[in-house]
Amino acid sequence: EAGVTQFPSHSVIEKGQTVTLRCDPISGHDNLYWYRRVMGKEIKFLLHFVKESKQDESGMPNNRFLAERTGGTYSTLKVQPAELEDSGVYFCASSGHGTRLNEQFFGPGTRLTVL
Amino acid sequence: AQSVTQLDSQVPVFEEAPVELRCNYSSSVSVYLFWYVQYPNQGLQLLLKYLSGSTLVESINGFEAEFNKSQTSFHLRKPSVHISDTAEYFCAVTMNTGFQKLVFGTGTRLLVSP
Repeated sequence: EAGVTQFPSHSVIEKGQTVTLRCDPISGHDNLYWYRRVMGKEIKFLLHFVKESKQDESGMPNNRFLAERTGGTYSTLKVQPAELEDSGVYFCASSGHGTRLNEQFFGPGTRLTVL
Repeated sequence: AQSVTQLDSQVPVFEEAPVELRCNYSSSVSVYLFWYVQYPNQGLQLLLKYLSGSTLVESINGFEAEFNKSQTSFHLRKPSVHISDTAEYFCAVTMNTGFQKLVFGTGTRLLVSP
C-alpha cells in the first residue's frame, strides 16, 4: 500500500507570504495528524483529524495556521502570513484500525524555510 | 500531560560496538511507548513499540527496548551497531486510550563510524 505523502518536500518563502502544505494519508486511515519540528527541538503535535473533524487542535500555535480536511481524505495546512519562527519541518501522520492500533505512519515531511 | 526526556543529543560509536539510547518519560496515566527512527533524507519510521505484555520488545533489525515502569524508562539498545544504523532516534509516548497524539523527545543522533 502507498504510504503517507506530503507536498511539497521543500518550500522557501519570504516573511508575510502564504504557504499551503498538503498531506495525503494512507488510504482508509480516518486519523490524520500534523506535527512540526523546529530546528534542534522536539517534534511537536499540532492537530488531529478524525475523518473531516478536528478532534484535537490544542497544538496549533496561533490563528495564522489553518488546517482543513475536506471530505476526510487529504489535508492541507495553510500558514498565512508566515513568520520567521514558522520555519521547520512539518510532518503528517495517519493511523487506522486493527492490529496496528496507535501506530502512526509518518510522511517524509515538508521543510519550510521562511526568510 | 506527558513528557519525554532524551538526555543524549548525540551518541558517537564505533561499528560493532554496543549502544544504549536513553529515554525517560513522565505521565500521570498509563502510556504506550514508541521508538521512531529517521534515516538521512527520509521520514520517520516506527522502530518498535510497547503497548502491553512483555516489557522487552524487539525490532526486526536487532534493536530492543525495555519498559521499566518503576524507573519510567524505555531505553533503546543494540548489542552490535552497523554503519547503516546511523540515524536520528526519537522516543515517544501516547496515552493508552484510543487514538492520541504522540509526545516526542528531542531526539538522539546516533553516529556510527568504522
